[in-house]
Amino acid sequence: GAGVSQSPSNKVTEKGKDVELRCDPISGHTALYWYRQSLGQGLEFLIYFQGNSAPDKSGLPSDRFSAERTGGSVSTLTIQRTQQEDSAVYLCASSLSTDFSNQPQHFGDGTRLSIL
Amino acid sequence: GNSVTQMEGPVTLSEEAFLTINCTYTATGYPSLFWYVQYPGEGLQLLLKATKADDKGSNKGFEATYRKETTSFHLEKGSVQVSDSAVYFCALNGGKLIFGQGTELSVKP
Repeated sequence: GAGVSQSPSNKVTEKGKDVELRCDPISGHTALYWYRQSLGQGLEFLIYFQGNSAPDKSGLPSDRFSAERTGGSVSTLTIQRTQQEDSAVYLCASSLSTDFSNQPQHFGDGTRLSIL
Repeated sequence: GNSVTQMEGPVTLSEEAFLTINCTYTATGYPSLFWYVQYPGEGLQLLLKATKADDKGSNKGFEATYRKETTSFHLEKGSVQVSDSAVYFCALNGGKLIFGQGTELSVKP
C-alpha cells in the first residue's frame, strides 16, 4: 500500500521493559511526525523529523523517550523503562514538507501500547 | 503559544440533521487549518483543509471556512448520515499539528 505503515499494531508489555515502535512513511515524504493519543491527554505531538535537519524533540515527555530516523525514511520510537502512564496509541504521520502553508499530514493506523 | 479549542462532545443528532462543530484557535502568524476524522476502529484521516483567511475547505458534504477575524474554523454539514458517526479533530499546522480535544459525533437513524 501507499500509506503510512506502523508496526506492531498492538503491543502489550510489562512495566519497566523497553519497547520499540516502527513507522514507515509514505515514499517521498521528507517530514515524519510522532504523536500520542491517550484518554486523558488527547492528541499530543512528540517529535518530528524534516530531511537532514535536527529533529524537533520538544514534545517528548521524558528522557525515557527517544526516536531515530535512519536514511531519511523509516523511524523508530523507543520508550525505555516503560511506565503505566505510557499506555496510549502512538501515531506516526508523514508529509511532503513542514512548510506551514498547506501540506497535510497523513497518518498511520497507530500502535496501541499497553503497559501492565 | 498555539492552541485549538473545540466544542465538547458527545454530540448526538438524528439522521439528516444539520451539524456544527465549533473550533477556535490561537496562533502566531497564519497557520493552515485542518479537520481530521477518526471513524470507529480506524486511524486519523484528513477531512478538509484551508490554508489562508476566507478559504473554504470542503469534502464529503462537510465545509469549514477559515475566519481570521473570529479565529474560527467551524465544521458544518447540512444533512448528516449514520456513517458520519466518528470523532472529529480540529487542528492547526505550525510545523507540527496542534489538535483540539476532539468531538465525538453520534448520528442515530
